Amino acid sequence: EVQVVESGGGKVQPGESLGLSCSASGFTVDRHYMAWVRQAPGKGLEWVSTVYPGGDTYFAESVRGRFTISRHTSDNTVSLHMSSLRSEDTAVYYCVRAISDNNDYRYYFDSWGQGTLLTVSS
Amino acid sequence: SYDLNQPVSLSVALGQTATITCGGHNIATKFVHWYQQRPGQAPVLVIYRDNNRPSGIPERFSGSNSGNTATLTITTAQPGDEAVYYCQVWDSSTLFGGGTKLTVL
Repeated sequence: EVQVVESGGGKVQPGESLGLSCSASGFTVDRHYMAWVRQAPGKGLEWVSTVYPGGDTYFAESVRGRFTISRHTSDNTVSLHMSSLRSEDTAVYYCVRAISDNNDYRYYFDSWGQGTLLTVSS
Repeated sequence: SYDLNQPVSLSVALGQTATITCGGHNIATKFVHWYQQRPGQAPVLVIYRDNNRPSGIPERFSGSNSGNTATLTITTAQPGDEAVYYCQVWDSSTLFGGGTKLTVL
Protein backbone atom coordinates (compact mmCIF):
# COMPACT_ATOMS: atom_id res chain seq x y z
CA GLU A 1 0.00 0.00 0.00
CA VAL A 2 1.30 3.43 -0.96
CA GLN A 3 1.62 5.72 2.04
CA VAL A 4 3.36 8.95 2.95
CA VAL A 5 3.64 10.29 6.49
CA GLU A 6 4.87 13.76 7.38
CA SER A 7 6.61 14.83 10.54
CA GLY A 8 8.48 17.81 11.90
CA GLY A 9 5.88 20.53 12.13
CA GLY A 10 5.66 22.87 15.07
CA LYS A 11 5.82 26.47 16.13
CA VAL A 12 8.75 28.71 15.29
CA GLN A 13 9.46 32.41 15.37
CA PRO A 14 9.78 34.58 12.25
CA GLY A 15 13.22 34.29 10.74
CA GLU A 16 13.90 30.84 12.14
CA SER A 17 14.41 27.58 10.24
CA LEU A 18 12.72 24.20 10.37
CA GLY A 19 12.84 20.91 8.51
CA LEU A 20 9.93 18.68 7.58
CA SER A 21 10.30 15.02 6.79
CA CYS A 22 8.15 12.67 4.72
CA SER A 23 8.46 8.93 5.15
CA ALA A 24 7.26 6.89 2.17
CA SER A 25 6.24 3.26 2.02
CA GLY A 26 4.96 1.06 -0.76
CA PHE A 27 7.15 2.78 -3.37
CA THR A 28 10.60 4.32 -3.72
CA VAL A 29 10.86 8.09 -3.65
CA ASP A 30 13.71 8.33 -6.15
CA ARG A 31 11.57 6.79 -8.89
CA HIS A 32 8.69 9.23 -8.47
CA TYR A 33 7.90 12.90 -8.52
CA MET A 34 7.64 13.99 -4.88
CA ALA A 35 6.16 17.29 -3.81
CA TRP A 36 5.07 19.48 -0.95
CA VAL A 37 1.75 21.30 -1.04
CA ARG A 38 0.60 23.60 1.73
CA GLN A 39 -2.68 24.96 2.97
CA ALA A 40 -2.90 28.04 5.14
CA PRO A 41 -5.66 28.00 7.78
CA GLY A 42 -9.05 28.32 6.08
CA LYS A 43 -7.44 28.77 2.67
CA GLY A 44 -6.92 26.74 -0.49
CA LEU A 45 -4.10 24.55 -1.70
CA GLU A 46 -0.75 26.02 -2.72
CA TRP A 47 2.02 24.09 -4.45
CA VAL A 48 5.39 24.59 -2.72
CA SER A 49 8.04 22.38 -4.31
CA THR A 50 8.67 19.28 -6.41
CA VAL A 51 11.66 17.03 -6.87
CA TYR A 52 11.71 15.10 -10.16
CA PRO A 53 12.89 11.51 -10.50
CA GLY A 54 16.05 12.79 -12.17
CA GLY A 55 16.77 15.03 -9.20
CA ASP A 56 15.75 18.41 -10.59
CA THR A 57 14.00 20.61 -8.06
CA TYR A 58 11.41 23.34 -8.49
CA PHE A 59 9.92 25.86 -6.11
CA ALA A 60 7.02 28.26 -5.93
CA GLU A 61 8.12 31.86 -6.27
CA SER A 62 6.95 32.57 -2.72
CA VAL A 63 9.51 30.17 -1.23
CA ARG A 64 12.31 30.14 -3.78
CA GLY A 65 15.65 30.85 -2.17
CA ARG A 66 14.33 30.04 1.30
CA PHE A 67 13.22 26.42 0.98
CA THR A 68 15.10 23.37 -0.26
CA ILE A 69 13.82 19.87 -1.03
CA SER A 70 15.85 16.70 -0.96
CA ARG A 71 15.47 12.94 -1.18
CA HIS A 72 17.12 10.34 1.00
CA THR A 73 17.19 6.94 -0.65
CA SER A 74 18.77 5.31 2.41
CA ASP A 75 15.54 5.58 4.36
CA ASN A 76 13.11 6.40 1.54
CA THR A 77 12.27 9.88 2.77
CA VAL A 78 11.85 13.35 1.35
CA SER A 79 12.60 16.45 3.34
CA LEU A 80 11.75 20.12 3.07
CA HIS A 81 14.13 22.51 4.75
CA MET A 82 12.66 25.93 5.37
CA SER A 83 14.61 28.99 6.39
CA SER A 84 13.86 32.67 6.96
CA LEU A 85 10.34 31.67 7.87
CA ARG A 86 7.56 34.25 7.72
CA SER A 87 4.10 34.40 9.22
CA GLU A 88 2.64 33.75 5.77
CA ASP A 89 4.37 30.35 5.73
CA THR A 90 1.97 29.21 8.45
CA ALA A 91 0.10 26.26 6.98
CA VAL A 92 -0.48 22.54 6.97
CA TYR A 93 2.23 21.03 4.79
CA TYR A 94 1.31 17.95 2.80
CA CYS A 95 3.82 15.53 1.35
CA VAL A 96 2.50 14.19 -1.93
CA ARG A 97 3.49 11.62 -4.49
CA ALA A 98 2.96 12.77 -8.06
CA ILE A 99 2.48 10.78 -11.22
CA SER A 100 3.39 11.91 -14.71
CA ASP A 101 2.19 9.67 -17.51
CA ASN A 102 4.41 11.56 -19.95
CA ASN A 103 7.46 11.80 -17.69
CA ASP A 104 7.23 15.57 -17.69
CA TYR A 105 5.85 18.45 -15.68
CA ARG A 106 2.21 17.52 -16.37
CA TYR A 107 1.93 15.49 -13.18
CA TYR A 108 -0.93 14.98 -10.80
CA PHE A 109 -0.94 14.18 -7.09
CA ASP A 110 -2.14 10.66 -6.43
CA SER A 111 -1.16 10.03 -2.81
CA TRP A 112 -1.30 12.58 0.00
CA GLY A 113 -0.13 12.42 3.57
CA GLN A 114 -2.26 13.71 6.44
CA GLY A 115 -0.17 16.85 6.73
CA THR A 116 1.90 18.52 9.42
CA LEU A 117 1.19 21.98 10.81
CA LEU A 118 3.79 24.73 10.78
CA THR A 119 3.04 27.86 12.76
CA VAL A 120 5.29 30.88 12.37
CA SER A 121 4.55 33.39 15.09
CA SER A 122 6.29 35.48 17.68
CA SER B 1 0.37 34.40 -14.59
CA TYR B 2 -2.36 31.91 -15.42
CA ASP B 3 -5.66 32.27 -13.55
CA LEU B 4 -7.92 29.37 -12.61
CA ASN B 5 -11.43 30.41 -11.69
CA GLN B 6 -13.78 28.27 -9.65
CA PRO B 7 -17.09 29.26 -8.09
CA VAL B 8 -16.67 29.65 -4.35
CA SER B 9 -19.69 27.53 -3.51
CA LEU B 10 -22.33 25.32 -5.04
CA SER B 11 -25.40 23.60 -3.65
CA VAL B 12 -27.05 20.50 -5.05
CA ALA B 13 -30.09 18.55 -3.93
CA LEU B 14 -29.58 15.02 -2.72
CA GLY B 15 -29.58 12.65 -5.67
CA GLN B 16 -29.18 15.39 -8.24
CA THR B 17 -26.20 16.28 -10.44
CA ALA B 18 -23.50 18.74 -9.39
CA THR B 19 -21.42 20.49 -12.02
CA ILE B 20 -18.26 22.22 -10.79
CA THR B 21 -16.39 24.41 -13.25
CA CYS B 22 -12.78 25.48 -13.54
CA GLY B 23 -12.18 28.33 -15.96
CA GLY B 24 -8.92 29.34 -17.60
CA HIS B 25 -7.70 30.72 -20.89
CA ASN B 26 -7.55 27.87 -23.41
CA ILE B 27 -7.66 25.40 -20.54
CA ALA B 28 -8.52 22.69 -23.06
CA THR B 29 -4.84 22.72 -24.07
CA LYS B 30 -3.84 21.62 -20.57
CA PHE B 31 -4.44 18.53 -18.49
CA VAL B 32 -6.82 19.26 -15.61
CA HIS B 33 -6.88 17.24 -12.41
CA TRP B 34 -9.47 17.37 -9.63
CA TYR B 35 -9.21 16.80 -5.90
CA GLN B 36 -11.83 16.35 -3.19
CA GLN B 37 -11.09 17.59 0.31
CA ARG B 38 -13.56 16.66 3.01
CA PRO B 39 -13.50 18.71 6.24
CA GLY B 40 -10.47 17.96 8.35
CA GLN B 41 -9.01 15.55 5.82
CA ALA B 42 -6.27 15.54 3.23
CA PRO B 43 -7.20 16.01 -0.43
CA VAL B 44 -7.99 12.98 -2.56
CA LEU B 45 -7.51 12.71 -6.31
CA VAL B 46 -10.87 12.10 -8.01
CA ILE B 47 -10.14 12.87 -11.67
CA TYR B 48 -6.81 13.05 -13.50
CA ARG B 49 -5.90 14.14 -17.00
CA ASP B 50 -9.30 15.68 -17.65
CA ASN B 51 -11.51 12.60 -17.50
CA ASN B 52 -9.81 9.63 -15.85
CA ARG B 53 -10.93 8.16 -12.55
CA PRO B 54 -8.43 6.59 -10.14
CA SER B 55 -9.30 3.18 -8.82
CA GLY B 56 -11.77 3.40 -5.95
CA ILE B 57 -13.46 6.56 -7.17
CA PRO B 58 -17.13 5.98 -8.00
CA GLU B 59 -18.35 6.18 -11.57
CA ARG B 60 -20.58 9.03 -10.43
CA PHE B 61 -17.52 11.26 -10.78
CA SER B 62 -16.56 12.34 -14.29
CA GLY B 63 -14.64 15.14 -15.95
CA SER B 64 -14.46 17.02 -19.20
CA ASN B 65 -12.36 19.82 -20.63
CA SER B 66 -13.20 22.05 -23.57
CA GLY B 67 -12.47 25.59 -24.66
CA ASN B 68 -11.95 27.76 -21.59
CA THR B 69 -13.74 25.53 -19.08
CA ALA B 70 -13.03 22.22 -17.41
CA THR B 71 -15.88 20.53 -15.58
CA LEU B 72 -16.21 18.02 -12.77
CA THR B 73 -19.59 16.33 -12.77
CA ILE B 74 -20.97 14.39 -9.82
CA THR B 75 -24.18 12.52 -10.53
CA THR B 76 -26.60 11.28 -7.88
CA ALA B 77 -25.03 13.52 -5.25
CA GLN B 78 -24.63 11.94 -1.81
CA PRO B 79 -24.04 13.48 1.64
CA GLY B 80 -20.52 12.10 1.53
CA ASP B 81 -19.79 14.24 -1.52
CA GLU B 82 -19.90 17.39 0.60
CA ALA B 83 -16.39 18.73 0.31
CA VAL B 84 -14.23 21.38 -1.28
CA TYR B 85 -13.18 20.50 -4.81
CA TYR B 86 -10.00 21.87 -6.36
CA CYS B 87 -8.86 21.83 -9.96
CA GLN B 88 -5.15 21.73 -10.79
CA VAL B 89 -3.15 22.41 -13.94
CA TRP B 90 0.41 23.13 -14.91
CA ASP B 91 1.30 26.50 -16.48
CA SER B 92 4.87 27.54 -15.78
CA SER B 93 4.31 25.96 -12.38
CA THR B 94 1.74 23.79 -10.64
CA LEU B 95 -1.44 25.76 -10.03
CA PHE B 96 -4.60 25.09 -8.04
CA GLY B 97 -7.95 26.73 -8.41
CA GLY B 98 -9.37 28.47 -5.37
CA GLY B 99 -11.72 25.59 -4.60
CA THR B 100 -15.48 25.10 -4.72
CA LYS B 101 -17.37 24.14 -1.58
CA LEU B 102 -20.10 21.70 -2.50
CA THR B 103 -23.11 21.43 -0.22
CA VAL B 104 -25.58 18.56 -0.62
CA LEU B 105 -29.03 19.64 0.52
